[in-house]
Amino acid sequence: TQLLEQSPQFLSIQEGENLTVYCNSSSVFSSLQWYRQEPGEGPVLLVTVVTGGEVKKLKRLTFQFGDARKDSSLHITAAQPGDTGLYLCAGIRGSYIPTFGRGTSLIVHP
Amino acid sequence: DTGVSQDPRHKITKRGQNVTFRCDPISEHNRLYWYRQTLGQGPEFLTYFQNEAQLEKSRLLSDRFSAERPKGSFSTLEIQRTEQGDSAMYLCASSFAPRGVVETQYFGPGTRLLVL
Repeated sequence: TQLLEQSPQFLSIQEGENLTVYCNSSSVFSSLQWYRQEPGEGPVLLVTVVTGGEVKKLKRLTFQFGDARKDSSLHITAAQPGDTGLYLCAGIRGSYIPTFGRGTSLIVHP
Repeated sequence: DTGVSQDPRHKITKRGQNVTFRCDPISEHNRLYWYRQTLGQGPEFLTYFQNEAQLEKSRLLSDRFSAERPKGSFSTLEIQRTEQGDSAMYLCASSFAPRGVVETQYFGPGTRLLVL
């Protein structure tokens, strides 16, 4: 059983479209992180959200942590080919070792 | 380049052989993590060091796996008697987190292992 469920698993869109990916769990996390991973490389941290209901913006990316700190979403506005990659969410409970979801693989076509 | 480095980047070996991977963390980071990632999955935690002490090991880390960080700097991960199921990307990450701060882990590029 996956502790963190990410959806959709795959997403293929055209440049300029908007998209939202989701990260859901039945567990409460003290914080949640989003990473982006390109093929053949390690994940790179995009954001950490800590407070329930928190919204953080990073240019065209908007991250939200659920009020109950069990879920999160990532919204990308006007996607660009450079956004292509695997988007991973990772929850942290108690210890500082993150538990990763399976990721959403995003392809943005020019 | 002052990021996390891993060596080798790719390794092909035959079943039953031993392999060793190296990770050089960011120099001032006291924590070092090893993860394994297979296709279609997120990274899975294997083990973690604070300085030279190995503080936690996952149940995924069978007896064939051993990790060391002898001087609290670089780390090695050895897999003995490799099996085809060991084929994966092995990721290293390092961090430094003052008390009370959610830490940021910096990942290396990974070592991709293929066991034939």
